[in-house]
This record gives sequence, C-alpha cells and structure tokens, in this order.
Amino acid sequence: GQQVMQIPQYQHVQEGEDFTTYCNSSTTLSNIQWYKQRPGGHPVFLIQLVKSGEVKKQKRLTFQFGEAKKNSSLHITATQTTDVGTYFCAGRENFNKFYFGSGTKLNVKP
Amino acid sequence: GAVVSQHPSRVICKSGTSVKIECRSLDFQATTMFWYRQFPKQSLMLMATSNEGSKATYEQGVEKDKFLINHASLTLSTLTVTSAHPEDSSFYICSATWTRSTNEKLFFGSGTQLSVL
Repeated sequence: GQQVMQIPQYQHVQEGEDFTTYCNSSTTLSNIQWYKQRPGGHPVFLIQLVKSGEVKKQKRLTFQFGEAKKNSSLHITATQTTDVGTYFCAGRENFNKFYFGSGTKLNVKP
Repeated sequence: GAVVSQHPSRVICKSGTSVKIECRSLDFQATTMFWYRQFPKQSLMLMATSNEGSKATYEQGVEKDKFLINHASLTLSTLTVTSAHPEDSSFYICSATWTRSTNEKLFFGSGTQLSVL
C-alpha cells in the first residue's frame, strides 16, 4: 500500500532560523496537501500542490512538489514562535484517500 | 471556511462498553468522510473511508466489526467503538470533503479523546 514518509520527526530552531520538512511517497501522487496541527488542536489545511514541479508561497512558507510527484517539501523562512506545531503532509494517490506522513514537530525558541 | 463538528470531544468509559462518536458537516454536504486515529505524538492513521449511502471501506488491519461506521446522510457520519478495551484508547478524528474530485481539501473535526478504563 501507499506510504508517505516524512522527515525530520522533530526540529528545534531558534527564532529567526529557517526550517524545512520533507515528504516522500513510495508511489506517484495525484496531489499532496500540507496541514498544521497546533498542540492540543486538530489539523488545519495549509495548501495543496497538484502539478509536477509546482512551487507555491504563503508569506514565509514555501511549498514544493517534486517533478516526479513523489516528494514534497515545506520551507519556513525566519521562523517565529507562532510557527510552533506539527506539520503533516498528506498524499493522495487515488480518489478519496489521503495518507498522512508521520509529521514534523517544530519547536521555536524565542 | 467549511466547518466540521465532532462530538463528544472527550469520553471516558468502562471496558466492554460501546462508544459512539459523531461527525457533522455544518455548512456543506460531505460526500466523503474519513476517520483517523492518532496516538500521542504520532501521525494520523487512516481507519476507514465513508461514502454517503454506502458501506465504509476499511484500511487493512482495522476491524470493521469493532469500529462501526455509518454515513447515513450527507452531513453526518458516526463511528461506534464496540466493546471498547483499554487498547482502544486514542484520539479519533474525522474529516470531510464534499466531492469525489482529486483536488478537494479535508476539513477536520476537533477530535475525540477516548479513554477506556
């Protein structure tokens, strides 16, 4: 079955430093989505990538989808304490099924 | 944005009892709902996919007789944990989408923390 691997598991950064999390799928994806889950909360949709090689930006966040549509990354520039949380990628291979990566827990020290 | 309501948010029950969790889409019709289970500090594990008016599709390793899913209407799906045991204690979360398109995002409920004594 489909597997979505995500690294690193944890990342501790000083406020102002950059942060990147990576997702890799064992199969080609139709699209990939990114979610953020704050401590004690539920996942909240951030963005969706559909096209091969697609790059999207949301302020300090940059999302990339690989050319082969098997990997993706989320990069945060100049992290802030409000960025704290766990970031999940969710890959979709066929209609109706999303498989989540293991998540990267980001901690930002002020 | 779309809202998905899930309740109860927390339930404590005795071993052997059954627990029902409800997931409602408040302002859209959810053709598909997903049920996930999340262990502490771990990812969301897809348990089953529920399409309105049809039987749920369970992921490998998920006991369909233990985790009963009903999606009787376009706004409501329920997960019933039957004869719960301590190992069923976990965070259960639902999500919904409104079409069978490949490009729809998931809206999540707030989750249910189940503790089985």
